[in-house]
Amino acid sequence: AQSVTQLDSQVPVFEEAPVELRCNYSSSVSVYLFWYVQYPNQGLQLLLKYLSGSTLVKGINGFEAEFNKSQTSFHLRKPSVHISDTAEYFCAVSDGGSQGNLIFGKGTKLSVKP
Amino acid sequence: SAVISQKPSRDICQRGTSLTIQCQVDSQVTMMFWYRQQPGQSLTLIATANQGSEATYESGFVIDKFPISRPNLTFSTLTVSNMSPEDSSIYLCSVETDNNYGYTFGSGTRLTVV
Repeated sequence: AQSVTQLDSQVPVFEEAPVELRCNYSSSVSVYLFWYVQYPNQGLQLLLKYLSGSTLVKGINGFEAEFNKSQTSFHLRKPSVHISDTAEYFCAVSDGGSQGNLIFGKGTKLSVKP
Repeated sequence: SAVISQKPSRDICQRGTSLTIQCQVDSQVTMMFWYRQQPGQSLTLIATANQGSEATYESGFVIDKFPISRPNLTFSTLTVSNMSPEDSSIYLCSVETDNNYGYTFGSGTRLTVV
């Protein structure tokens, strides 16, 4: 069975600092990996996804993530955060089998302070 | 990508009553998905709703508790029946907006059962 572990429930950072949100997964098959962002009182928005090809994936709002198969990780990074990046971030995995069967992590709350 | 309108955005309900949540999509989609996000937890898939057939429920979710309708390709409802405080969660609908695992989520319904 697949599972996703987001190692940090909360990450406080100062504006313009770099940030890394960690995500590890477990799966016995090839996976597709996703990062979603949820701003307060809004739905989930796709930041980026890894399906195949280059292990470094660039997404919206300056975020990027690197797929590391040997470490079963898909950490999200941004070199310089803004106040507007304050939100909850979810890592998710799919085995590509059942459409819509995304397995989500518990989320990481990113708080950007001035 | 598709735009999803989900209603109500929040509600406070008495135990023993039922609440119906609506999702309207601005384009035709084959499958719609319903998720639950319990406090401090990750998103869990409740069921997949295809137009013209009964919904497919995930383990731990049953039709009597969470009946789903899918009358056409742009609309679906989820009912939370005979509610108890344990049903207090955020409920989200989702659709696949392209053939490359691009899922769009509604803004969610924050349900509190008292």
